Amino acid sequence: QQPVQSPQAVILREGEDAVINCSSSKALYSVHWYRQKHGEAPVFLMILLKGGEQKGHEKISASFNEKKQQSSLYLTASQLSYSGTYFCGTETYGNKLVFGAGTILRVKS
Amino acid sequence: DGGITQSPKYLFRKEGQNVTLSCEQNLNHDAMYWYRQDPGQGLRLIYYSQIVNDFQKGDIAEGYSVSREKKESFPLTVTSAQKNPTAFYLCASSNRKGTGRGQPQHFGDGTRLSIL
Repeated sequence: QQPVQSPQAVILREGEDAVINCSSSKALYSVHWYRQKHGEAPVFLMILLKGGEQKGHEKISASFNEKKQQSSLYLTASQLSYSGTYFCGTETYGNKLVFGAGTILRVKS
Repeated sequence: DGGITQSPKYLFRKEGQNVTLSCEQNLNHDAMYWYRQDPGQGLRLIYYSQIVNDFQKGDIAEGYSVSREKKESFPLTVTSAQKNPTAFYLCASSNRKGTGRGQPQHFGDGTRLSIL
């Protein structure tokens, strides 16, 4: 079942912060976060694993609440280059990802 | 540099025609995936393969077929049975250390398929 992302879209000014949420109805092994620019391939940002391990990006942080099956991506001091669509992908116990519908982030100068 | 190469970048299909999308990787990854993306939508899994000569259906496999004869290659055929093939198709790969879980997926640049 597809995870639910919120908000669907957000507009920021440079330097502002944003939080993107991802919620699943299933028990999760891990949550992946990707950013996609228009017409391009998604780019890996971060993985959060059950048990607390994180792998990923230096300037972006995230959290994973295993009990609530929720993850949040924190973008601080946003830059123009942060604009794009952010997808979470949830991994259950079948070695495949299910992606959310995406959150469109636009950073204005 | 290692990466994933998809070709062609744009593809047009006529009615009743099968078309094949190419995906090659030189990352030495065991697992490979095909996703379909429709405008304003997320990625939906078509097929995936965790090892050579083996593959599994994803969530929307009907009208598609794949093969995995080599570790580096995972071509996708869009058959005439797929009535609505217009979409952006993305190929990805990941390492399969241990259980294969918790490994990032690396994506190719995609193929845009349209109906003539």
